[in-house]
Amino acid sequence: SQKIEQNSEALNIQEGKTATLTCNYTNYSPAYLQWYRQDPGRGPVFLLLIRENEKEKRKERLKVTFDTTLKQSLFHITASQPADSATYLCALLGGSQGNLIFGKGTKLSVKP
Amino acid sequence: KAGVTQTPRYLIKTRGQQVTLSCSPISGHRSVSWYQQTPGQGLQFLFEYFSETQRNKGNFPGRFSGRQFSNSRSEMNVSTLELGDSALYLCASSLRGGPLAQETQYFGPGTRLLVL
Repeated sequence: SQKIEQNSEALNIQEGKTATLTCNYTNYSPAYLQWYRQDPGRGPVFLLLIRENEKEKRKERLKVTFDTTLKQSLFHITASQPADSATYLCALLGGSQGNLIFGKGTKLSVKP
Repeated sequence: KAGVTQTPRYLIKTRGQQVTLSCSPISGHRSVSWYQQTPGQGLQFLFEYFSETQRNKGNFPGRFSGRQFSNSRSEMNVSTLELGDSALYLCASSLRGGPLAQETQYFGPGTRLLVL
């Protein structure tokens, strides 16, 4: 069965730097991969979706890459701000019926 | 447009009891999925409902069940509660769901269940 790993449980960076989060999967390449943000005590909020035929996608200060050879997606936040502090989850199609499976998340802390 | 709402937000139960959680999806959304989130296991898929039918199910015991009504509102029920059922239960809605839709999911705030 498909498995997702987000390598870092926690990432601490300085304000203004670029945060890079990693998501690896183990089996077949999914048709698409999604990234979500979750704040404490709240449900995840969708950020970006990248399809298997897309190498890169951008939205404001966010950039996602998708490398089907490495079975990896990278999520970048440029010019990071303390307000970007949250847990970031990657998700992909885990089964033929269409349910998403989620990584355990990376908790990002941006220090002023 | 109102977001996904879940009730109650917090719940305390004792072992052996049962609990029912409710989810109202975004208007027009017909797919509702339920997830359990714990610090150790992360977000785990419970089941998905579409047009009042369970379309997909995760690897949870039969104590976990759900249903969907004609207005797309959904409930999930956990019977014979165990300590390990303590978690944040999240529901998410999307227009159609399923593997071909490539849709995003819109999550509710969750119900925090504590089993004592």
